[in-house]
Amino acid sequence: QQPVQSPQAVILREGEDAVINCSSSKALYSVHWYRQKHGEAPVFLMILLKGGEQKGHEKISASFNEKKQQSSLYLTASQLSYSGTYFCGTAYMNRDDKIIFGKGTRLHILP
Amino acid sequence: KAGVTQTPRYLIKTRGQQVTLSCSPISGHRSVSWYQQTPGQGLQFLFEYFSETQRNKGNFPGRFSGRQFSNSRSEMNVSTLELGDSALYLCASSYTQGAEAFFGQGTRLTVV
Repeated sequence: QQPVQSPQAVILREGEDAVINCSSSKALYSVHWYRQKHGEAPVFLMILLKGGEQKGHEKISASFNEKKQQSSLYLTASQLSYSGTYFCGTAYMNRDDKIIFGKGTRLHILP
Repeated sequence: KAGVTQTPRYLIKTRGQQVTLSCSPISGHRSVSWYQQTPGQGLQFLFEYFSETQRNKGNFPGRFSGRQFSNSRSEMNVSTLELGDSALYLCASSYTQGAEAFFGQGTRLTVV
């Protein structure tokens, strides 16, 4: 039950906004967002729990729509440092469930 | 504090051999998860250990196995290697299940 991420890839100019979506065919307990730069390990961004919430992390925020079984990651006024591959991971049952990651969304920011 | 350490960083093995990868989590972390990363497939979940017990398992064949020791260090073993096992194997540790995870740099395994 791998979540589906869209788009697969996006190219932006510095200062533009981006939205990355993560959709599930099953009810979600939590959504985990990570960013991986080329040649590096994935780095944690945020966790959202069911109940419909939004979290922020500098200019990166995310929402979790429990009814639609999806989460969206928002990157506003993108910076060059935002380039990388973004992964969403989902847990379905509870906090102790395994985290299943999507295939990732490649984001490239142009100067 | 020290991050997640994976050893070795690179491995080249021949088909049919077996391999053992090691992961030392951040001190105090009791949950260790393993992922296989290949181009275009994202992070494929292998298994998760918490307090020396396998708590979750992915959809990989029985050739893939793991264990966790009392100090939370974990190993994964792949027997009878196949060419398709070539990948980056990532280990992630967290304080408890479902919490923020810290990934190691990975072990790049090449099967020839």
